[in-house]
Amino acid sequence: QLQLQESGPGLVKPSETLSLTCTVSGGSISSRSYYWGWIRQPPGKGLEWIGSIYYSGSTYYNPSLKSRVTISVDTSTNQFSLKLSSVTAADTAVYYCARHFYTDTAMVDYWGQGTLVTVSS
Amino acid sequence: QSALTQPASVSGSPGQSITISCTGTSSDVGSYNLVSWYQQHPGKAPKLMIYEVSKRPSGVSNRFSGSKSGNTASLTISGLQAEDEADYYCCSYAGSSTFQVFGGGTKLTVL
Repeated sequence: QLQLQESGPGLVKPSETLSLTCTVSGGSISSRSYYWGWIRQPPGKGLEWIGSIYYSGSTYYNPSLKSRVTISVDTSTNQFSLKLSSVTAADTAVYYCARHFYTDTAMVDYWGQGTLVTVSS
Repeated sequence: QSALTQPASVSGSPGQSITISCTGTSSDVGSYNLVSWYQQHPGKAPKLMIYEVSKRPSGVSNRFSGSKSGNTASLTISGLQAEDEADYYCCSYAGSSTFQVFGGGTKLTVL
């Protein structure tokens, strides 16, 4: 059974960089059939796609966040990571890592449990 | 890319059917049969309920069905049960540079 687990600081100061890692177990991140992505959800609000990466390193970002986002992959450790720079209180959210299909990127079949990141001084 | 439009809330009694709409544009919902629906209970990660407009993943009840007409996709839940009370989100592919655009979410209340 595939599992995804987010890890990283739960508190980040304004203007600093948010960094999270997703560890994939029970399957290979090098599968050609999937992208690996980050999706966030501010408290009490809806879902927002942040960006995704293919095992080869090709990246795709939400245009509204593109200037601040970097997603990377490490196939040797079966992990992928998110960096979001210059954070503000508006970036406070539950951050989910997820797997979505190469042929249907709207289809997310596995999600991490989510990790709350609060931006505050 | 703007979010897809969903009603903020819907409600129904046990055993009834409800439909949640999801309105996009010709750049997303209207152009691709790549619409998914997710169910989210409080404090939990979303769960895939429908993909490619009308397909159900293994293990999802056949009480859940999806459809699309033009720029609007719909999720219908028949034979409402208490456990169906949750938030529901639609999601569409929106082109090679925008993998996913979500709806704002609909809170389903089972009366």
